Amino acid sequence: QLQLQESGPGLVKPSETLSLTCTVSGGSISSSSYYWGWIRQPPGKGLESIGSIYYSGSTYYNPSLKSRVTISVDTSKNQFSLKLSSVTAADTAVYYCASIAVGRYYFDCWGQGTLVTVSS
Amino acid sequence: QSALTQPPSASGSPGQSVTISCTGTSSDVGGYNYVSWYQQHPGKAPKLMIYEVSKRPSGVPDRFSGSKSGNTASLTVSGLQAEDEADYYCSSYADSNNYVFGTGTKVTVL
Repeated sequence: QLQLQESGPGLVKPSETLSLTCTVSGGSISSSSYYWGWIRQPPGKGLESIGSIYYSGSTYYNPSLKSRVTISVDTSKNQFSLKLSSVTAADTAVYYCASIAVGRYYFDCWGQGTLVTVSS
Repeated sequence: QSALTQPPSASGSPGQSVTISCTGTSSDVGGYNYVSWYQQHPGKAPKLMIYEVSKRPSGVPDRFSGSKSGNTASLTVSGLQAEDEADYYCSSYADSNNYVFGTGTKVTVL
């Protein structure tokens, strides 16, 4: 049973880079069976897909965020990471990591989420 | 890619049914049978309730059902129970490993 856990700073200053890590347990991030994704949810608002990565390093980004997003994978630590640059208050949100089984097109296992606030 | 359109709210009495719509375009909902639905209780992570338009993961009650016609998908919750009160989001595959979510619907059990 996969379990995912987000970690990272809860407060980021405007114009800086938001960095989060998702640790995967109960399975290998190097498995060819999954993609690994990030989703965010501003307070009181809806969900937004940020992007995803395959263990090989292939990445897929939401076109609206593509210029600011980098998702990477660290197989030695069984983790994948999110970097979002030039943040503003609009990037304040709960950030979730999740898995997508290959050949499936839905997020089947989610982390608990972590709130990141952008403020000086 | 624009968010899929859902009604902001829906409600029903215990035992009744409620149906939530999710409208997209031919580039997402209408183009793929990859619509999923998520239930989210306050302060919790979303939980998968329906995938591939109408399939239920193990453990999800058969009171939850999904369908699709053209660019609009629907989630029906039959025999409403108090624990069904939550926010519900649809999602669709939208090409090149991209996904789009709906605007969300708050379901209230009266």
